[in-house]
Amino acid sequence: EDQVTQSPEALRLQEGESSSLNCSYTVSGLRGLFWYRQDPGKGPEFLFTLYSAGEEKEKERLKATLTKKESFLHITAPKPEDSATYLCAVQMNYGGSQGNLIFGKGTKLSVKP
Amino acid sequence: DTEVTQTPKHLVMGMTNKKSLKCEQHMGHRAMYWYKQKAKKPPELMFVYSYEKLSINESVPSRFSPECPNSSLLNLHLHALQPEDSALYLCASSQAPGAGNTIYFGEGSWLTVV
Repeated sequence: EDQVTQSPEALRLQEGESSSLNCSYTVSGLRGLFWYRQDPGKGPEFLFTLYSAGEEKEKERLKATLTKKESFLHITAPKPEDSATYLCAVQMNYGGSQGNLIFGKGTKLSVKP
Repeated sequence: DTEVTQTPKHLVMGMTNKKSLKCEQHMGHRAMYWYKQKAKKPPELMFVYSYEKLSINESVPSRFSPECPNSSLLNLHLHALQPEDSALYLCASSQAPGAGNTIYFGEGSWLTVV
C-alpha cells in the first residue's frame, strides 16, 4: 500500500535552533514529492517540488532534499513566522492517478522567540 | 503569480439549503481539483477536472455536485448536506493533469453545516 509518513508529528524549537522534518514514503513509481506549508485556517502554500533522488531545493531558511526513500525539510535558524504545519505529498506515475497527491499527516512546527 | 481564488471564505448552511462554492484561476491551468480537509487531517481529493471534463470522482456522495463552466472556473454545488460535511473545502489547479505537475491551492472555503 502506498504510504507517506511524516515525523515528528509536532516540533517545538527556539528561535535560531535549526532542525529537520522527515517525510518517508513507500510508493511505487514516484513522480514527484511536494512540500507545502499550511497556516491555521488557510490552504496549503506550495514550497518545493522534488523529482529525483539527490535533488535539493532552497528557499530562504528552508532546504528540501530527496533520497529514494525519504525527504527532509531542513530549517536553518528558524523565526517565529516559520510556525505552521508542513505537509509532504507524493505523486505516483500511473495512469489512473491523474497526478493526485497522497499527503502525510503533517508536522506542526512551533518556533518560540 | 500562482493564485487560486475561492469564494466565499466562510459559509454556514442548514441541512436543507442549496449553496455553491466558487473557485477561479487565471493561470491558464487545465486541471482543477476539489479537496476536503477536516481539522488536523491532511487534504483528501474529491474531484478532478481535466480540460473541463470530470476525470476523477473519489466516490463522493451525490449531495456534492461539481461543475466546470470554463477553463478558469470551478464550482461545487452543495445540497442536503450533513453536519459531518463541515470542513475546509480547497480548490486547486495545475498546469496540466497528470503526474509531474505542481498543484496549487486556494485559501479554502470554511463550510459549517447546522
